[in-house]
Amino acid sequence: GNSVTQMEGPVTLSEEAFLTINCTYTATGYPSLFWYVQYPGEGLQLLLKATKADDKGSNKGFEATYRKETTSFHLEKGSVQVSDSAVYFCALGTGGTSYGKLTFGQGTILTVHP
Amino acid sequence: KAGVTQTPRYLIKTRGQQVTLSCSPISGHRSVSWYQQTPGQGLQFLFEYFSETQRNKGNFPGRFSGRQFSNSRSEMNVSTLELGDSALYLCASSYHTGTGNGNEQFFGPGTRLTVL
Repeated sequence: GNSVTQMEGPVTLSEEAFLTINCTYTATGYPSLFWYVQYPGEGLQLLLKATKADDKGSNKGFEATYRKETTSFHLEKGSVQVSDSAVYFCALGTGGTSYGKLTFGQGTILTVHP
Repeated sequence: KAGVTQTPRYLIKTRGQQVTLSCSPISGHRSVSWYQQTPGQGLQFLFEYFSETQRNKGNFPGRFSGRQFSNSRSEMNVSTLELGDSALYLCASSYHTGTGNGNEQFFGPGTRLTVL
């Protein structure tokens, strides 16, 4: 079956530090890959996505590249802000009989200090 | 466009009761998925509906059920509540264009269910 593994957290950084959150996946077929962010008391917001190998998703300074050879989709940001403090989820979706189902990683809590 | 809305936002129930949660998708979205989020198990897929038909179901007991109406609004029901059903229940909608898998899902704020 499909699965997503994220690096263990929590992650604590100082403002303007470089961020990497690792994500690897196992899937049948060719999945689409997503990063979602969840702020306290809210639902999930789509941060970025990539639908095929070597695609790079980017948004709000965050980037992730779909690496089929290493089955990875690591999230990066060059300079984090306090407002980036949230929980980040890596997810994958496949078509066919699994359409409409996203498989999520366990989430990584990010805290950014001034 | 208005986002995904869920009602109610908070619910407190006692064991053995049943509960119904409601989700209104983004206008034009025909697919609605439901997830359960708990600290221990993370985000788990419950089921997905498209055009009033359940297309996919996660690994949850039969106490968890759902339906979708002709206007794409969806409800999920949990009967005979257990303490372990306490969770944040998230609804997500997407615009289904075919059999592709690239359609992202847009999430509502969730319904926080507490079972006492």
